[in-house]
Amino acid sequence: AQSVTQLDSQVPVFEEAPVELRCNYSSSVSVYLFWYVQYPNQGLQLLLKYLSGSTLVKGINGFEAEFNKSQTSFHLRKPSVHISDTAGYVCAVSNTNAGKSTFGDGTTLTVKP
Amino acid sequence: DGGITQSPKYLFRKEGQNVTLSCEQNLNHDAMYWYRQDPGQGLRLIYYSQIVNDFQKGDIAEGYSVSREKKESFPLTVTSAQKNPTAFYLCASSMEPGTTGEQYFGPGTRLTVT
Repeated sequence: AQSVTQLDSQVPVFEEAPVELRCNYSSSVSVYLFWYVQYPNQGLQLLLKYLSGSTLVKGINGFEAEFNKSQTSFHLRKPSVHISDTAGYVCAVSNTNAGKSTFGDGTTLTVKP
Repeated sequence: DGGITQSPKYLFRKEGQNVTLSCEQNLNHDAMYWYRQDPGQGLRLIYYSQIVNDFQKGDIAEGYSVSREKKESFPLTVTSAQKNPTAFYLCASSMEPGTTGEQYFGPGTRLTVT
């Protein structure tokens, strides 16, 4: 069994400030890790993914995430946020043998001017 | 362009009526999924299908039914047995199991039952 915990349900930040959205997972097998972004009343869009190799993964819109196996974390970061980054962000994990994913409850990022 | 379409975007029904939500994909993906999303909660898996003519219950299948007669289509029926059907429903697809597990999502259908 696998699970995902997103530690913050709401993260408010000011424009141009850095942000980190936290994600921890648990799994007894090797995993793939994902971050999705969701704008209001829309589906999820893949932001970035970790499959193997370099633990620092770069995604779209200037976001990046670092896979930390010892801490079972996959935190999402952006050095300087824009108003347009206001959205929901969902962390997900899937084991390497199956296509099903487990999703976190999501973090709502609100960027204020 | 390849992708997943869901229709309609908004759907209103009276209590006691069954309603079917459409999901079509042209990505040639083997697996398809239905999720329910409620405010402040994560995605909850309703049903999934890894191959045509086969599907499995997810975590909250009660009150829902699906079919997978074609690779491209995975409609979801919300029956009158579903006690709280008002929600945002998301359809997704992915390549065959054992690959990366990345899912591609449709735009969603917001169902309101009164």
